Amino acid sequence: KQEVTQIPAALSVPEGENLVLNCSFTDSAIYNLQWFRQDPGKGLTSLLLIQSSQREQTSGRLNASLDKSSGRSTLYIAASQPGDSATYLCAVYAGGFKTIFGAGTRLFVKA
Amino acid sequence: DAGVIQSPRHEVTEMGQEVTLRCKPISGHNSLFWYRQTMMRGLELLIYFNNNVPIDDSGMPEDRFSAKMPNASFSTLKIQPSEPRDSAVYFCASGLGSSGQETQYFGPGTRLLVL
Repeated sequence: KQEVTQIPAALSVPEGENLVLNCSFTDSAIYNLQWFRQDPGKGLTSLLLIQSSQREQTSGRLNASLDKSSGRSTLYIAASQPGDSATYLCAVYAGGFKTIFGAGTRLFVKA
Repeated sequence: DAGVIQSPRHEVTEMGQEVTLRCKPISGHNSLFWYRQTMMRGLELLIYFNNNVPIDDSGMPEDRFSAKMPNASFSTLKIQPSEPRDSAVYFCASGLGSSGQETQYFGPGTRLLVL
């Protein structure tokens, strides 16, 4: 059974700092991995999607990497801003129409 | 361009009552997902529709839950009778594709409290 774990559960950093969020999954047989952002009281917004054949994806200040063999993904946020404060979730798709989500990392960027 | 629309945004009801949650997917999308989010269990897929047909409902917790998609622009999730443990945020998401791995666009959610 696929399980997705995110560490840390919460993170507080000063503005301008570069940071890394971690995601691990137990079964390496995945089709893709996505990183989402969730703001309080709102739905999820897809940030980056990495196909299983890819190693990384970049969008602006965000860079996501994928290492299928070790069951790990990281989301790197450069030059963090207070507006980056949110919960970040990773999710893997391993077939069967199900996307399995991690519990998320709650990020707080202090001004 | 409107995103996924869910109604109501908040619902408070008493145990035993029927609850109906509504979702309007993004126009042109052919897949629709219903999720439930709780602190204890995180985000769980309840049911996946493709071209208005339920493809995978293995996540529906029990017979008290039912979902329909009568047309491409409307879906409902019904709980009858509701119980306090059904309290959660229910999300609807839509996408374009047929594999279940398409990019999903989430609605704002319905926060349900069953007393």
